[in-house]
Amino acid sequence: NAGVTQTPKFQVLKTGQSMTLQCAQDMNHNSMYWYRQDPGMGLRLIYYSASEGTTDKGEVPNGYNVSRLNKREFSLRLESAAPSQTSVYFCASGDTSTDTQYFGPGTRLTVL
Amino acid sequence: DAKTTQPPSMDCAEGRAANLPCNHSTISGNEYVYWYRQIHSQGPQYIIHGLKNNETNEMASLIITEDRKSSTLILPHATLRDTAVYYCIVSRVGSARQLTFGSGTQLTVLP
Repeated sequence: NAGVTQTPKFQVLKTGQSMTLQCAQDMNHNSMYWYRQDPGMGLRLIYYSASEGTTDKGEVPNGYNVSRLNKREFSLRLESAAPSQTSVYFCASGDTSTDTQYFGPGTRLTVL
Repeated sequence: DAKTTQPPSMDCAEGRAANLPCNHSTISGNEYVYWYRQIHSQGPQYIIHGLKNNETNEMASLIITEDRKSSTLILPHATLRDTAVYYCIVSRVGSARQLTFGSGTQLTVLP
């Protein structure tokens, strides 16, 4: 039981490059989330998926797209990376019966 | 969701109880109090949650005042590994409720 896994752990991009952050959970949770955390700041929600086949914008969705591939997987795509997207990205899955969320280890992204 | 207020930082001696306060004076009747923590560079970790009764699990205890306007997270025997930022969050239970993280309390456990 790995919980929530994220790949890659670290990534360096040049401005304008694209990439996809992968997230998978093995807890059979319906809901999944993508957050970003800038240095010294709290987490901010980018997108979330209440269930397979649905996605909704969070607080800071601009510059990102998401795909809920199946119940286990929720990916985050940066189409044209910008330095302002340098951050740590956390994926989470949620037990909706108790509203508790379980987080992955994060992806540290630097955009030059 | 109700707004929460936490002290920015606290210290605690190793082996002693750490008591982390949280004010949530605008909490609604159907809102729960959740506590998460984030150890440096790691993803946040769920600790405990409650509605109005005191709760205890293997990690911590949660004491909610009778008027529900404040709560205290208690780590009964703090260790150096409990050094982290602790977040108090108020939220309704429902489908896909996203968490709103404030600035939290930096707890430093001192040897």
